[in-house]
Amino acid sequence: DAGVIQSPRHEVTEMGQEVTLRCKPISGHNSLFWYRQTMMRGLELLIYFNNNVPIDDSGMPEDRFSAKMPNASFSTLKIQPSEPRDSAVYFCASSSRAGPEKLFFGSGTQLSVL
Amino acid sequence: GESVGLHLPTLSVQEGDNSIINCAYSNSASDYFIWYKQESGKGPQFIIDIRSNMDKRQGQRVTVLLNKTVKHLSLQIAATQPGDSAVYFCAETWTGGFKTIFGAGTRLFVKA
Repeated sequence: DAGVIQSPRHEVTEMGQEVTLRCKPISGHNSLFWYRQTMMRGLELLIYFNNNVPIDDSGMPEDRFSAKMPNASFSTLKIQPSEPRDSAVYFCASSSRAGPEKLFFGSGTQLSVL
Repeated sequence: GESVGLHLPTLSVQEGDNSIINCAYSNSASDYFIWYKQESGKGPQFIIDIRSNMDKRQGQRVTVLLNKTVKHLSLQIAATQPGDSAVYFCAETWTGGFKTIFGAGTRLFVKA
């Protein structure tokens, strides 16, 4: 199994630009999570999908952030417009079922907004 | 929001010694606990888990202990190796929920 695949690995952009992060979960997993990791706040859950449906987006910082999951094998996290405070590592994770279950993480996208 | 706390941000041990990483959790409803290891440039990786109906679980060189009375978790690594150097996170979740709450993390340094 290839694991959770994220792209790009690194993204450097200027303030005000649109950023799109991509994720391919493990085949057969029906739960997908987007996390953000910073030194100050640690790992924060942004949004959770189950069977491609957003279940909880209460962790999304503000309207500049949006996420989609058009099918079981692909999800995007978009920031528009980006701001320097969005700089962080963004992780996608998937699990095999809803409810308490271990998560499988991708390698993350290191985002730097200048 | 609620969080799982780690009170020792850095732990340094000699290669070959045993390591113990501690964690306090806050949600009384949590009934599933996981330890993750995060190496530099990678995402967190599952190490071992334990459910609330157990107080101890052993894996290969790792043991997790759960004390529900005081809401405490620990991860024990036997014969610590340089490859164990990483940040370790405890995490909690609960039946009927979907959120996994991560602690702040403990960085483990293994001295050769």
